[in-house]
Amino acid sequence: KQEVTQIPAALSVPEGENLVLNCSFTDSAIYNLQWFRQDPGKGLTSLLLIQSSQREQTSGRLNASLDKSSGRSTLYIAASQPGDSATYLCAVEEGDMRFGAGTRLTVKP
Amino acid sequence: EAGVTQSPTHLIKTRGQQATLRCSPISGHTSVYWYQQALGLGLQFLLWYDEGEERNRGNFPPRFSGRQFPNYSSELNVNALELEDSALYLCASSLAASRPNTEAFFGQGTRLTVV
Repeated sequence: KQEVTQIPAALSVPEGENLVLNCSFTDSAIYNLQWFRQDPGKGLTSLLLIQSSQREQTSGRLNASLDKSSGRSTLYIAASQPGDSATYLCAVEEGDMRFGAGTRLTVKP
Repeated sequence: EAGVTQSPTHLIKTRGQQATLRCSPISGHTSVYWYQQALGLGLQFLLWYDEGEERNRGNFPPRFSGRQFPNYSSELNVNALELEDSALYLCASSLAASRPNTEAFFGQGTRLTVV
């Protein structure tokens, strides 16, 4: 059974800092890994999709990496802004999608 | 292009009643996923439909059920509602399971409150 873990559970940083969010999974037989952000009480917004054959994806200030063999992914956020405050979720797809519990990020002005 | 749409946005039911939640996927998407997100908790996988068939279900009792229609829209039904069923129910869609390396997109959810 796939287990997805995200560390840390919560993170508070001052504006402008670079930060890394971590995601690990137990079964490396995945099709892809996707990072989402969720604002309180809202649905999820897709940030980046990394296919199993890829090592990383970039979008603006976001960079996600994937190491399938070790079952790890990281989401790097450069020059954080207060608008980045949200919960960040990773999901692995192996047919259906399984989610980690998320990292709640607060960026202080 | 319209995104994933869910209805209703809010639903209040009494314990023991039935609730029906609806999801319309993005045009061209045939896979639909349902998740439950209780307050302060992570997303718990409920059901996955692909091209009209139920492909997998999560660890939920049988009173959680659903279906996918020929136009790929989907319904989630929850029978004999319990207070702990109160949660945000999220639906996501993606291209067919035969094309697994594609992005999934979520609706804004249905907030179900059981009183």
